[in-house]
Amino acid sequence: GAGVSQTPSNKVTEKGKYVELRCDPISGHTALYWYRQSLGQGPEFLIYFQGTGAADDSGLPNDRFFAVRPEGSVSTLKIQRTERGDSAVYLCASSASVGGVGELFFGEGSRLTVL
Amino acid sequence: DAKTTQPPSMDCAEGRAANLPCNHSTISGNEYVYWYRQIHSQGPQYIIHGLKNNETNEMASLIITEDRKSSTLILPHATLRDTAVYYCIVRVANAGKSTFGDGTTLTVKP
Repeated sequence: GAGVSQTPSNKVTEKGKYVELRCDPISGHTALYWYRQSLGQGPEFLIYFQGTGAADDSGLPNDRFFAVRPEGSVSTLKIQRTERGDSAVYLCASSASVGGVGELFFGEGSRLTVL
Repeated sequence: DAKTTQPPSMDCAEGRAANLPCNHSTISGNEYVYWYRQIHSQGPQYIIHGLKNNETNEMASLIITEDRKSSTLILPHATLRDTAVYYCIVRVANAGKSTFGDGTTLTVKP
């Protein structure tokens, strides 16, 4: 696709449930990032992939959060046992690691609401 | 990544230049300055970046001080559609995460 695609755009779930959020990056971009954004705040880094491997997962808040990118393209952010505090917009971005200057291209985000 | 400091909010009259400052006093020699903006309910959008020289593109100009400890993003003729949150970030190019602060909310008024 032309840009970064994220699905679903909105997800409402109940406390304790499992959630998966999907990101389809720009074709050919080897770097992929997940961020979380709460109302009135800037995006908060969660995890960064270079290819299939997580190069930096220092932003994941706890072990309920996990992300994969098995084929180096699409990524899934997985949240187990959701809590009300997980409610936020989850943003995905991709970047061309070679030949570019590292600017990030963001998707529109997935808004998660935990009731 | 070096820390940046931006004013929380600014106003600008439509048609006038908007000058958004950013302090990054602990920037390292190999770190670039990047600017993004986020219009309500959308993902952040890349605007411009620079290392030490001033830069200009179709969206904006970036002025970096000689000591590289601060920079200014200039929108030469602000329109109502430029109302957004503007983020200044410093990082090494192609080197992992970008750390966003809370940015500057620019409101362009008619």
